Amino acid sequence: DGGITQSPKYLFRKEGQNVTLSCEQNLNHDAMYWYRQDPGQGLRLIYYSQIVNDFQKGDIAEGYSVSREKKESFPLTVTSAQKNPTAFYLCASSILLGINTGELFFGEGSRLTVL
Amino acid sequence: GENVEQHPSTLSVQEGDSAVIKCTYSDSASNYFPWYKQELGKGPQLIIDIRSNVGEKKDQRIAVTLNKTAKHFSLHITETQPEDSAVYFCAATTGFQKLVFGTGTRLLVSP
Repeated sequence: DGGITQSPKYLFRKEGQNVTLSCEQNLNHDAMYWYRQDPGQGLRLIYYSQIVNDFQKGDIAEGYSVSREKKESFPLTVTSAQKNPTAFYLCASSILLGINTGELFFGEGSRLTVL
Repeated sequence: GENVEQHPSTLSVQEGDSAVIKCTYSDSASNYFPWYKQELGKGPQLIIDIRSNVGEKKDQRIAVTLNKTAKHFSLHITETQPEDSAVYFCAATTGFQKLVFGTGTRLLVSP
């Protein structure tokens, strides 16, 4: 079945450690996104990519890094510079509609807890 | 930049009642307004959307209305069912793949 796969579903890490969250899609979508979800704050955009080897910062990019070496993959690294990394992370993808925004297809999320 | 406010944060209704969730946006250039439903432990899923050239859109028990002058849009769910219980997010964008989401509404439908 086509979709977006995020792994791991749950992740525990010690403070000061970098963590990489995986996101893979087989929908042949050009655009991919990372959102952070905190209680009472909705979804906030961390990074997005419209094409391989290119990505842009979203509203809360500080302390995060991404790469887009393949169309299907958009991993997110939560670095030790991120002050409050404990959160639910959602990856999404969409087709490109020129300047218009298309439907986002989300993965099931990764819950990161920093101890 | 765009700012989206969503109310209420929680909404409890009896099965069969209607539910209304309201959102306001700040950027008059916003032209696309989707609504997403997030069930427990899952990612959000698009349930309905509307573009700025349309005032209302319906899909079975779900409808969305848009008032561009007042810069607000609403989700209406009629004949609610227990499976409608979830968190609903509104969003707005001027394009270029940058959606701004509201803070979410937790809807609880009691049998």
